[in-house]
Order: sequence, then structure tokens, then C-alpha cells
Amino acid sequence: DQQVKQNSPSLSVQEGRISILNCDYTNSMFDYFLWYKKYPAEGPTFLISISSIKDKNEDGRFTVFLNKSAKHLSLHIVPSQPGDSAVYFCAAKSQGAQKLVFGQGTRLTINP
Amino acid sequence: KAGVTQTPRYLIKTRGQQVTLSCSPISGHRSVSWYQQTPGQGLQFLFEYFSETQRNKGNFPGRFSGRQFSNSRSEMNVSTLELGDSALYLCASSLNGHPNTEAFFGQGTRLTVV
Repeated sequence: DQQVKQNSPSLSVQEGRISILNCDYTNSMFDYFLWYKKYPAEGPTFLISISSIKDKNEDGRFTVFLNKSAKHLSLHIVPSQPGDSAVYFCAAKSQGAQKLVFGQGTRLTINP
Repeated sequence: KAGVTQTPRYLIKTRGQQVTLSCSPISGHRSVSWYQQTPGQGLQFLFEYFSETQRNKGNFPGRFSGRQFSNSRSEMNVSTLELGDSALYLCASSLNGHPNTEAFFGQGTRLTVV
């Protein structure tokens, strides 16, 4: 049972444009969401998070949007840079739980 | 500030053997979690330790175990290795494991079982 889903295995975006990565979840108990970026042979790097009491959180070029009614979140990267090419994971936690539930990841490629 | 350190980075073991992986969390962090990453299953939660106590456990067989020491360093052990245990094992530390705190990952240990 995949509680966190990233339906796009890959995404290709031109440098300078906006990258939008999507994530859907099924468990209504999730109340904290995180995005991680991962390069091959390295551990995931924390990017940005959002609590369920908010619908938007911004940090530099990264913005995460949360739509609780649709159980959907998205990560916007503007402008996209070649160094953003990596696999992006969406993760969720539920109240009182310490474990992260991850999506399958989306491979983002930024083309020059 | 040093990040999460995992040792060794790479390991090759034979089926049936056992293995121990080590994780040193960020200084001051008391919660350590372990994850397994495989191409087919993605990132799966193994267990989480806080103050030397296992607080949460994922859906893995009893061959997978762990412990945490008083200095918050953690070890993970896998006994009777199977080919399917080949994976990247990731350790994550957080300040206290509170749901609204970020977890920071180490570079992982790549285990290959032959």
C-alpha cells in the first residue's frame, strides 16, 4: 500500500524555467511533509518542509504548496539550475510518529 | 558542524553471514532512524532510536536489529544475510525525533550480498 505517491518517475525542464514536482498521499493522519533531494551514492539532503496548518512555505528558489483537501503537495523550483538535476523524494510523517514515509522519487533533469 | 557519519561506505558480504553498520548522528541529536533503499521498494523505514530505546519499528523481519549507545551513536545489525538484503542503508538523525523536525541523512552504506 503506497501511502505517498510520486506518479512521475522523471521530469525534464529547461534551465531557467520552473520545475514542478508533484506528490499525492492517502493517509489523512499525515500532518508534516518534507522534500529531499538525492544524488547517486549519497544520502538524501533535506530541502524544505511544510506543516499541515500551512498551505505554502517558501525558501529561496524552493516553494512547497500543500492542498489538504486534495491530499496533494507540490515543490516548485524557480529558476531551475543545472545543479538541481537529482532525484527528489517527497516524505510524510503523522502526528506522534517518528518515521518518514517516502514516495518513489522523481528524477529531475535540467537541460542547458 | 559535522553531519551524519555512516561507516563503512561499502560492504560486500556472503549469503548467510551477518553484518553490523554504524551511524554517528549530528552532535546534539538524540534520535536516529534507519532506512533501507532498494530500486524496487524505494526508501523503507527500519527503526528509530531515541535515548537508547527503540521507539518505532518498520515492517522488517527479526533478522534486522539495532541499538543506540549513550552517546547517541547507533548500530544496525543484519543476521543471516539474504541476496535481497543488498541495498543502500541510510541513517538519519534529528534533534529529538519530534514529528515537526527535519531528519538529516548520512551518505549511506552500500551493502552487497553475494
